[in-house]
Amino acid sequence: SQKIEQNSEALNIQEGKTATLTCNYTNYSPAYLQWYRQDPGRGPVFLLLIRENEKEKRKERLKVTFDTTLKQSLFHITASQPADSATYLCALGNYGGSQGNLIFGKGTKLSVKP
Amino acid sequence: GAVVSQHPSRVICKSGTSVKIECRSLDFQATTMFWYRQFPKQSLMLMATSNEGSKATYEQGVEKDKFLINHASLTLSTLTVTSAHPEDSSFYICSARGGTGNGAFFGQGTRLTVV
Repeated sequence: SQKIEQNSEALNIQEGKTATLTCNYTNYSPAYLQWYRQDPGRGPVFLLLIRENEKEKRKERLKVTFDTTLKQSLFHITASQPADSATYLCALGNYGGSQGNLIFGKGTKLSVKP
Repeated sequence: GAVVSQHPSRVICKSGTSVKIECRSLDFQATTMFWYRQFPKQSLMLMATSNEGSKATYEQGVEKDKFLINHASLTLSTLTVTSAHPEDSSFYICSARGGTGNGAFFGQGTRLTVV
């Protein structure tokens, strides 16, 4: 069955450092991968989408890589700030189907200490 | 960006009663909306796909008679948890399709507690 793993349930880093979160998947060939931020008691907020033919995508302090050979995506937050503390979810999807085909990981809770 | 509004954000109800959760697309029309459930430290699990003007499509293991979905207009989908039990206590979230190349737009979520 399809499986998606975010390797760390929690990640603690110091302010100013780069946070790196990992998303691995098996038994699936996604057309794209998305990253979301979720704060406690709130719905997820879309951050970035990267397609299978893209190696890297950047948005401000965020960088996402996508390696379809390794079946892995890395999500980087550079110059991290305490305000970046949240749970980050990765999600896999394919075109042609409904958005309900999105498969979510359990998330990694990032804590940035001042 | 598109906004999806979900109401209420929190609700506490007694066992056996029913609870209705609303999901509205505020500045766009959503022919399809999605309902998820999320348990603590778990991933979002799709419950059903809500289609405007037609019956919802439920995922395997989700009781359609217990989780009633109505999508009567292009901007409103409702989820009614009928005869709620404590095990139905969870975080329910709706979302709307973001279109090709875009992410999904999620509501704020509803924390349901059944006592």
